[in-house]
Amino acid sequence: DAKTTQPPSMDCAEGRAANLPCNHSTISGNEYVYWYRQIHSQGPQYIIHGLKNNETNEMASLIITEDRKSSTLILPHATLRDTAVYYCIVRVAFDGGATNKLIFGTGTLLAVQP
Amino acid sequence: DVKVTQSSRYLVKRTGEKVFLECVQDMDHENMFWYRQDPGLGLRLIYFSYDVKMKEKGDIPEGYSVSREKKERFSLILESASTNQTSMYLCASSSPQGGGQPQHFGDGTRLSIL
Repeated sequence: DAKTTQPPSMDCAEGRAANLPCNHSTISGNEYVYWYRQIHSQGPQYIIHGLKNNETNEMASLIITEDRKSSTLILPHATLRDTAVYYCIVRVAFDGGATNKLIFGTGTLLAVQP
Repeated sequence: DVKVTQSSRYLVKRTGEKVFLECVQDMDHENMFWYRQDPGLGLRLIYFSYDVKMKEKGDIPEGYSVSREKKERFSLILESASTNQTSMYLCASSSPQGGGQPQHFGDGTRLSIL
């Protein structure tokens, strides 16, 4: 079972920031938070991940609360091509076992409106 | 950028056929994975490999086998295809290096068994 909770859908105006929340209240100390997105009929695309600190890359920023029980993915200037299902996943670093499979929940369908 | 390439985007086969799905990654990753994705069921891990010639069963290995003769290539084999194996098949790879390295996915193969 997925260990995260996300809203099923969100809308965002093109050019505005999209803030996607994720609740992971049962996260363990050694579990990372990963974000992926999936555009229809394509494979999941890795966006960003973090353990404790906030992270930023060329695609997005990840804000993790101090207690690590929730996080927010920020797309700073959403475009129509950002319309996708966004998945928040918590997982330990790979240790050679099948426990390192990725468990995708239902995600958030982000619809960027023109 | 990491590149995971799956040999076919769409494939149609008949029941009883032996089907080969190929996956190649160009980042010298030790770990490779095969998932299938079905509506309402999310991603399910079929097999994974953490080294050449090494393989481990995931959650749903029945009816499948894998081969990893070279580090960059991981093949999924449907020994005798059945209609319940109609699905989207996703290959992923990752590095075992520290820092919770993410899995990177290919674009998927949408397989139909008639």
